[in-house]
Amino acid sequence: DVVLTQSPRSLSVTLGQSASISCRSTQSLVYSNGDTYLIWFHQRPGQSPRRLIYQVSNRDSGVPDRVSGSGSGTDFTLRISRVEAEDVGVYYCMQTSRWPWSFGPGTKVEIK
Amino acid sequence: QVQLQQSGPGLVRPSQTLSLTCAISGDSVSSNSVAWNWIRQSPSRGLEWLGRTYFRSQWHHDYKDSVRGRITITPDTSKNQLSLHLNSVTPEDTAVYYCARDRGHHGADYWGPGILVTVSS
Repeated sequence: DVVLTQSPRSLSVTLGQSASISCRSTQSLVYSNGDTYLIWFHQRPGQSPRRLIYQVSNRDSGVPDRVSGSGSGTDFTLRISRVEAEDVGVYYCMQTSRWPWSFGPGTKVEIK
Repeated sequence: QVQLQQSGPGLVRPSQTLSLTCAISGDSVSSNSVAWNWIRQSPSRGLEWLGRTYFRSQWHHDYKDSVRGRITITPDTSKNQLSLHLNSVTPEDTAVYYCARDRGHHGADYWGPGILVTVSS
């Protein structure tokens, strides 16, 4: 099974500064059609996860452009520029390139 | 707007069957462009995708190997809902259970609010 690891596991960020979260996979996430299916979710306390990014770098509707995803193969990054209070919570990566689909352990972001 | 509402008991005895229902509005359980998933979350296991069902001329089911044999996901077209049945539960099955919609490899774009199920005697 594909195992996703995230680093750091927690992050304390000053408002207005940037944050980067790494997601690494034990196997390449390039699918047989050449696409890469790596997704990022954000979960606020007491809420369900919300999808932010799909297929590595495509933002969902309503996600600000200060949130971006990048990467390829086995290494991926979520970057949040100009961090705001609404960005607190836990961020998860997820892969849907290989069965069974799997999630990373999460990165907790708080405001310093 | 797609809305998913889960229901079911919050407490299940060990060795019994966990049964949950997800009522769908704003979409159809038999849509041929989406799939319907069950995902759970616990402090010890994090987020864990359990399985999904989808209709493409016929019904298909995908299950995670670690729960295969214990899990059944069943669509109900008359009520536009899906069900999760997980048998022979142990305290390790204690988790918040979510139903969620996906459009293939793009992951879950709509999630239910989650329901906490505790397995305890």
